Amino acid sequence: RKEVEQDPGPFNVPEGATVAFNCTYSNSASQSFFWYRQDCRKEPKLLMSVYSSGNEDGRFTAQLNRASQYISLLIRDSKLSDSATYLCVVPNTNAGKSTFGDGTTLTVKP
Amino acid sequence: DAGITQSPRYKITETGRQVTLMCHQTWSHSYMFWYRQDLGHGLRLIYYSAAADITDKGEVPDGYVVSRSKTENFPLTLESATRSQTSVYFCASSQQWGNQPQHFGDGTRLSIL
Repeated sequence: RKEVEQDPGPFNVPEGATVAFNCTYSNSASQSFFWYRQDCRKEPKLLMSVYSSGNEDGRFTAQLNRASQYISLLIRDSKLSDSATYLCVVPNTNAGKSTFGDGTTLTVKP
Repeated sequence: DAGITQSPRYKITETGRQVTLMCHQTWSHSYMFWYRQDLGHGLRLIYYSAAADITDKGEVPDGYVVSRSKTENFPLTLESATRSQTSVYFCASSQQWGNQPQHFGDGTRLSIL
C-alpha cells in the first residue's frame, strides 16, 4: 500500500458543480496535512493546511478523518480557474521527508 | 517579498557536463528541499537540509550533490549529467518540520541532450 494515495481522476465537472477528492494515508501518527494545487508542471502552491478536524477557506473545505485515515478536499461552485492537479501532502515522522500523493486532476468545463 | 527563487529557469546542456541549479530563500527558513518531477509523474525528493551544514538524502539522490554553507542558499549539482536527469527541478523551504507547509520556487526546466 502506498503511504499516500489519491484518486488520479481525471475529474471532469461543469462550472458551478461541487466536487470532492479523497486522500488516504497509511501512517496513523501523522498530525498535519496539506493540500496543494499544481498547474501544468508549474510549482505546487499551498491551498490549505489541515491540523485538526478540518479547515475552510471560501469555496474550499478540507476534512480530516483520523479514524479512517483520510483527508478530503471539497470544492464548491467550481470555476474554470480551479482546473489543476491537486496534491495531498503528508509529512513523515522522519523529519525532512514528506510524502506527496501523485495528484488528482480536475478539469472544470464551461 | 522575494520568497524563494531558483536559477536558471531553463537550462539545456549535454551529457557528461556538470550543472548547478541555484536556490535562494529570503525567509530564513531552516528546512530546504530539492525535488524532481518527470513528465506525468509526481514529485520525488532528491535531498533535503534541516539547517546550514546539515544535509540528508531523499528518495533519489544518486548523481546529485548538495551543499548548504549558508541558511539561505541550497545549490544542487549534477556532477556528470545524464539524459535520465532531464526533468523539472523544484526547490522548496519550510520554517519548521511537520506542522509548517513547504513553499516552492518556480522550478528549473533542465534538458540534457
